[in-house]
Amino acid sequence: NAGVTQTPKFQVLKTGQSMTLQCAQDMNHEYMSWYRQDPGMGLRLIHYSVGAGITDQGEVPNGYNVSRSTTEDFPLRLLSAAPSQTSVYFCASSYTTSQPQHFGDGTRLSIL
Amino acid sequence: GENVEQHPSTLSVQEGDSAVIKCTYSDSASNYFPWYKQELGKRPQLIIDIRSNVGEKKDQRIAVTLNKTAKHFSLHITETQPEDSAVYFCAAPNSGYALNFGKGTSLLVTP
Repeated sequence: NAGVTQTPKFQVLKTGQSMTLQCAQDMNHEYMSWYRQDPGMGLRLIHYSVGAGITDQGEVPNGYNVSRSTTEDFPLRLLSAAPSQTSVYFCASSYTTSQPQHFGDGTRLSIL
Repeated sequence: GENVEQHPSTLSVQEGDSAVIKCTYSDSASNYFPWYKQELGKRPQLIIDIRSNVGEKKDQRIAVTLNKTAKHFSLHITETQPEDSAVYFCAAPNSGYALNFGKGTSLLVTP
């Protein structure tokens, strides 16, 4: 039981490049979400999903896309990277929003 | 998060003293209130949570209280120790299934 696995752990991109942050969980959780963490800003919700085929926007969705084709995977896509997207990204999962969230180890992303 | 406010942003206490962190939420439909601890460079981890049908919950040195009428909940840490130093986050779900977090409180416990 690996929990929530995020890849890569670190990534450096140039402005305008695109990339996908991977997130996978093996706990059969229906609810999955992506947060970005910036100093002094806490954890801000980017996108979330309540089950396969269902996604919705959080507080800061602009510049990001998500899909949920399976229960296990919830990738986050940066369409055209901008320096303002430099951050630490956390994926989390749970059975519902009213259950403890299990976080991955995070992806530290730098955009030059 | 847009509907969760957390105070203070920083808190410094001496070892053995108590620490209190407060959060307010705006969505009256919120029914679950967790607290997470994040050590430097690590992932957030749940330390305690409370549901809307309970007013208080304790787990050894930590406790959470909930006032649904006033829409606020608090984390209480007693007999603080240096290893309690970390960033603490509160969270609350809204009626649209989003879980929003407060901006965090950086707690420093000095020996």
